Amino acid sequence: AQTVTQSQPEMSVQEAETVTLSCTYDTSESNYYLFWYKQPPSRQMILVIRQEAYKQQNATENRFSVNFQKAAKSFSLKISDSQLGDTAMYFCAQEETQGGSEKLVFGKGTKLTVNP
Amino acid sequence: DTGVSQNPRHKITKRGQNVTFRCDPISEHNRLYWYRQTLGQGPEFLTYFQNEAQLEKSRLLSDRFSAERPKGSFSTLEIQRTEQGDSAMYLCASSSDFYEQYFGPGTRLTVT
Repeated sequence: AQTVTQSQPEMSVQEAETVTLSCTYDTSESNYYLFWYKQPPSRQMILVIRQEAYKQQNATENRFSVNFQKAAKSFSLKISDSQLGDTAMYFCAQEETQGGSEKLVFGKGTKLTVNP
Repeated sequence: DTGVSQNPRHKITKRGQNVTFRCDPISEHNRLYWYRQTLGQGPEFLTYFQNEAQLEKSRLLSDRFSAERPKGSFSTLEIQRTEQGDSAMYLCASSSDFYEQYFGPGTRLTVT
C-alpha cells in the first residue's frame, strides 16, 4: 500500500514570509499524481496545487509552488508572501490507482499558522 | 455549480442506532468518493462509485457500512449499529475525468 508522510505536525510563519511544508511518499507506480490540499478551520478541503509525476517542471499556482523530487519521492509545498488566510491544515496526497479507483492517500497533515 | 453538498452537517446518535448521510456531488461529475477523517489524521478512503457502480471498497468499510448511488446522482452512506469508534468526519468528494477531487463540507458524526 502506498504511504504519504508529513513529518511536520505544526508550523508557524510570520505574515509576508515564506514557508515550506515537507512531504514524502512511497509508491511503485511510474506515473501518478500528487496533490496539496488545504483545510481551513471548520471549512471544507480545497485543492491548492497538483503535480503530474511525468512532468519534470514543478507546478506553481500564484504564491504556491512545489519542489518535486521524483527520485527522492519528495513533494514539498512552498508558500510565498504568507497571508493570514493561509492558516489551515495542509494535507499532502497521492493518487492511488490500484483497486480500480483514483482514490487519494493522504498524509496526517501539517497545521500551519500565519502570525500577524 | 454549487459544489459538493453533504447533509446533515452534524449528527449525534446513541450507540447501536443506525445513521444515514447524504452526498450531492457536482452535477456533471461521474465519480464519487467517501472518506473518513478522525481527529489529527488525514482522510482515509472508504469507497468509490463510478456512475451508479460501486467499484471499490476499503477494508475499513465493515459490513455495518453500506453505500449506494442510485442513478449515478446523489449517494448515501449508512452505518448500522453505530459504535463509538465510528465517531469521525465523513467526507464526500466528486470528480470528472480530470483527477481533481472536489470535497464537500463533511458530516461530523458523534456516537455517544
